[in-house]
Amino acid sequence: EDQVTQSPEALRLQEGESSSLNCSYTVSGLRGLFWYRQDPGKGPEFLFTLYSAGEEKEKERLKATLTKKESFLHITAPKPEDSATYLCAVQASNSGGSNYKLTFGKGTLLTVNP
Amino acid sequence: DAGVTQSPTHLIKTRGQQVTLRCSPKSGHDTVSWYQQALGQGPQFIFQYYEEEERQRGNFPDRFSGHQFPNYSSELNVNALLLGDSALYLCASRAQGSAYGYTFGSGTRLTVV
Repeated sequence: EDQVTQSPEALRLQEGESSSLNCSYTVSGLRGLFWYRQDPGKGPEFLFTLYSAGEEKEKERLKATLTKKESFLHITAPKPEDSATYLCAVQASNSGGSNYKLTFGKGTLLTVNP
Repeated sequence: DAGVTQSPTHLIKTRGQQVTLRCSPKSGHDTVSWYQQALGQGPQFIFQYYEEEERQRGNFPDRFSGHQFPNYSSELNVNALLLGDSALYLCASRAQGSAYGYTFGSGTRLTVV
C-alpha cells in the first residue's frame, strides 16, 4: 500500500529564516510526486509535480527536490504570506497504467512570524 | 477562468439522511476526482470519473456514490450519513492525459449531527 509521511507536523519560522519540509514515500512505482499548499478552509493549491529522482523545480521562494525515497520542499527567506499547510502526494504507477489516485500525507503546518 | 466550482460551501445534515454535493470542473478538464478530508488529515481518495463512468474507487463504502454528466460536471452522493462522514469534501479536475497537477475546488464542509 502506498504511504506518505510528512515531517515535521508543524514548523514555526521567523520571517527570512530558511528551512525545509520533508516528504517520505513508499510506492511500488512512482508516476509522480505532487506538492500542494492549502490555506485554512480552502482546497489545495497546486505547486509542483516531480517525476524522477534528481529532478528539481522552483517557484518564487519555494524549491522542490526528489530522491528515490523522499522529497524536500525548501523555503528560502519565507514571508508571513507563506504561512499555510503544505501537502505532499504521490501517484503510483501500475502495470496497467490505470491508477489515478493521489495518496496524501497529513501535511506540515508552516507558520512564518513577522 | 472560474477554476473548479463546488456547491454548496457548507451543509449541515442529520445522521441517517442523504446528501448530494456538486462540482463543476475547470474549463477544458474532463476528469473529476472526489476526496474526503477530515480535520487535521490529508485528503483521502473516494473515486474518479471519466467519460461519465467511475474508473477508480478508493476504500469507501457503497454509501458513497457518484455521477458525471455529459458536460463533465459531477455529483457525489452519500446515503445513510454517519457522524464520521463529517469532513471537507474536495473535488479535483484535470484534462485527461495532462501532466499538470489536479486543480482542486474550495470544497464543501459537511457536518453531520
